[in-house]
Amino acid sequence: DTGVSQNPRHKITKRGQNVTFRCDPISEHNRLYWYRQTLGQGPEFLTYFQNEAQLEKSRLLSDRFSAERPKGSFSTLEIQRTEQGDSAMYLCASSDPSGTLDEKLFFGSGTQLSVL
Amino acid sequence: DQQVKQNSPSLSVQEGRISILNCDYTNSMFDYFLWYKKYPAEGPTFLISISSIKDKNEDGRFTVFLNKSAKHLSLHIVPSQPGDSAVYFCAASGIGGGATNKLIFGTGTLLAVQP
Repeated sequence: DTGVSQNPRHKITKRGQNVTFRCDPISEHNRLYWYRQTLGQGPEFLTYFQNEAQLEKSRLLSDRFSAERPKGSFSTLEIQRTEQGDSAMYLCASSDPSGTLDEKLFFGSGTQLSVL
Repeated sequence: DQQVKQNSPSLSVQEGRISILNCDYTNSMFDYFLWYKKYPAEGPTFLISISSIKDKNEDGRFTVFLNKSAKHLSLHIVPSQPGDSAVYFCAASGIGGGATNKLIFGTGTLLAVQP
């Protein structure tokens, strides 16, 4: 399977606990994005990496959220002290713009987080 | 501030007929538009895109039309098939001039194709 892989698919946690999600992008893709989707909404941008550099973060990404992409390969998204409002589908996407203007994102299946 | 809007939350059409999904945007700096399709419990999958230098792009049963003056785009599916039943998201991005290179998504339209 050469698509974007996300683990775990589902995570149930209690309020106040920390959670970490992993994303493995398509191997030749140098850009990696994290999005969040809640019920009835479209995916909302959280942050993105160009190789190992985190180039932009949304104001949706509070101090409790941190993302890393060591060595420009897989990425992790950690949420500390989870709150019920963090319950959402967390989507990872990758792309390889290669200088072209028409950048297409390829999404993984997401991690569904439920905070009780 | 919803920069990409899909005002129809749902649409129902008969198999074999045309499905038309609409999308409006407010940021005139957007110059690349995409449609994604999403099934439950899966991530969005790319369907078709169009650059602002074109007004139409066609791929099989799917055609996207762009009206820049009206800041409006639409996705036509002809003929519609039951397997097309999914949520369709419109997305936009731009480069340079203060626009963003990240995709901004609409809220989606749930298409139901009735056999």
